[in-house]
Amino acid sequence: EIVLTQSPGTLSLSPGERATLSCRASQSVSGNYLAWYQQKPGQAPRLLIYGASSRATGIPDNFSGSGSGTDFTLTISRLEPEDFAVYYCQQYGSSSTFGQGTKVEIK
Amino acid sequence: QVQLQESGPGLVKPSETLSLTCSVSGGSVNSGSYHWNWIRQPPGKGLEWIGYIYYSGDTKYNPSLKSRVTISVDKSKNQFSLRLSSVTAADTAVYYCARGRRYDYWGQGTLVTVSS
Repeated sequence: EIVLTQSPGTLSLSPGERATLSCRASQSVSGNYLAWYQQKPGQAPRLLIYGASSRATGIPDNFSGSGSGTDFTLTISRLEPEDFAVYYCQQYGSSSTFGQGTKVEIK
Repeated sequence: QVQLQESGPGLVKPSETLSLTCSVSGGSVNSGSYHWNWIRQPPGKGLEWIGYIYYSGDTKYNPSLKSRVTISVDKSKNQFSLRLSSVTAADTAVYYCARGRRYDYWGQGTLVTVSS
């Protein structure tokens, strides 16, 4: 089973700042099949990024994904008030596993 | 627009079997080469993939739950279902159904509490 480790656990930033979230896999993710999700309290997760770097339908371009192999990054270029949430990475190259999440909170 | 909706009991007794159904609208469980998944999230914790059923009927389960999980599909009703046997308090969670290998559509989730 591929284990995904996200860092940091919590990111405290102000609106307008840049957020950089990391997701590291215990082994190479086949096909770079790595997705990112945003989850707000009481809501289901929302797909942001798939295939490591492709934005899902309707996702604004201030969200971007990068990386390959075992190291992946989600970048939010300028934080909007609605971007404060928990973010999860998921690999779907070998079965499916999630990271433990990164909370982006208002500083 | 594809929509998924979970349904089932919100309270299950320990050692019994949890049963949930996901109703799909705006799409078909029998076409499109999609995987139909169950995912859960214990209160205040992260996401855990439970398993999927492919449109062909093939299934795959999380190894940690495999001995207790069955996912099935009812094509006539455009639904798929989850059965989790021998539940304990550790199975208390919000249960989601979702489409695909990357989960582009989700249900809103249903809280299942395991308690006597």
